[in-house]
Amino acid sequence: EVQLLESGGNLVQPGGSLRLSCAASGFTFSSYPMSWVRQAPGKGLEWVSDISESGGGTHYTDSVKGRFTISRDNFKNTLYLQMSSLRADDTAVYYCAIPSPGGYLDYWGQGTLVTVSS
Amino acid sequence: DIQMTQSPPTLSASVGDRVTITCRASQSISTWLAWYQQKPGKAPKVLIYDASSLQSGVPSRFSGSGSGTEFTLTISSLQPDDFATYYCQQYNSYSWTFGQGTKVEIK
Repeated sequence: EVQLLESGGNLVQPGGSLRLSCAASGFTFSSYPMSWVRQAPGKGLEWVSDISESGGGTHYTDSVKGRFTISRDNFKNTLYLQMSSLRADDTAVYYCAIPSPGGYLDYWGQGTLVTVSS
Repeated sequence: DIQMTQSPPTLSASVGDRVTITCRASQSISTWLAWYQQKPGKAPKVLIYDASSLQSGVPSRFSGSGSGTEFTLTISSLQPDDFATYYCQQYNSYSWTFGQGTKVEIK
């Protein structure tokens, strides 16, 4: 059974940094690209970033370029999102997800809450 | 970025009703569109991909249609478990984008 377990969410001050993790199991992690999607409280879904199977290719939504870095450790079966220069509008539940070969998001974790506030 | 516009934002319906949600793209996305269902406090779940393909395990009362810039999600006979928020998502080109959601409420 595919399982994605996010962790690392917390309360952080504006301008601070945080690293999210997503522990994967139940599938061959190194064979799949991975994505991060977020959802601000009471709002809709926003795709944030994705990374290729090897980690050599990445994409970001414009609002996080230069501030967030996606990475993965295929030996530890773990996906990461390093977030820096955090702003209030980064407050959201962050989900990791497995994109299908086409691009729709097949499997999702349960999410981890990041709150940016002083 | 491609903008996705869903309508209506909120829909009130009764069990047994036929329900249709529309999603419009700001430019052609062929059939690179998915529909998700999300319940409060839960992660989204994919219902339809490639505009009209039913995800495995999803009840056949859900269907999708459309191509280019206009798409619809139809629930043929609304069930109690279907009261939720629905999102469309384009994956034609980066950045992947979602519609703003349609909340299906009990009438």
